[in-house]
Amino acid sequence: EAGVTQFPSHSVIEKGQTVTLRCDPISGHDNLYWYRRVMGKEIKFLLHFVKESKQDESGMPNNRFLAERTGGTYSTLKVQPAELEDSGVYFCASSQTQGAYSPLHFGNGTRLTVT
Amino acid sequence: AQSVTQLDSHVSVSEGTPVLLRCNYSSSYSPSLFWYVQHPNKGLQLLLKYTSAATLVKGINGFEAEFKKSETSFHLTKPSAHMSDAAEYFCVVSDPSGGYNKLIFGAGTRLAVHP
Repeated sequence: EAGVTQFPSHSVIEKGQTVTLRCDPISGHDNLYWYRRVMGKEIKFLLHFVKESKQDESGMPNNRFLAERTGGTYSTLKVQPAELEDSGVYFCASSQTQGAYSPLHFGNGTRLTVT
Repeated sequence: AQSVTQLDSHVSVSEGTPVLLRCNYSSSYSPSLFWYVQHPNKGLQLLLKYTSAATLVKGINGFEAEFKKSETSFHLTKPSAHMSDAAEYFCVVSDPSGGYNKLIFGAGTRLAVHP
């Protein structure tokens, strides 16, 4: 079974530019999550999709971040305009069910550097 | 509210000696606890999970963790370290208040293994 795939693996952009990160979950996984780790901090939850619907976006830092999951398959996370503090590693995860015991399968992450 | 505290940011051991990575948790619920590992340039991989069954949980690669409610601890151990165990380890608690598996991460412990 193919795992969670994220691309690009690295992105370097200038402050004020736009970047779009993509995540392909494991096939058949309805639940998709975005997390991120900024420098020196813990990994933090951003949002949760069930199929194409946003179930919880309480972790999104501000309105410069927009996540979509059209058709309930892959997801994109757009940052527009990017700021220096957005630098970090963005992880995507998926799970088949959404129960508290259901393990999340993570991708390798996208390392975003804003200069 | 749910939280986890990893008591050591860095741990260094010699190959063949025991590993102990410490984690304390706080939870308003009967907790679901996990340990994840991240090797360099890789994604987060689930090592093991505690879901209120046996208090001693066995995971992959010879790791295990013991849930101790009286001490609110979930320490990760391995009898004999291998060079390939060098990685960053995350203690994680699930926050089920939203009806799904929202993960709360600890700050991480970097494990170095010396020959």
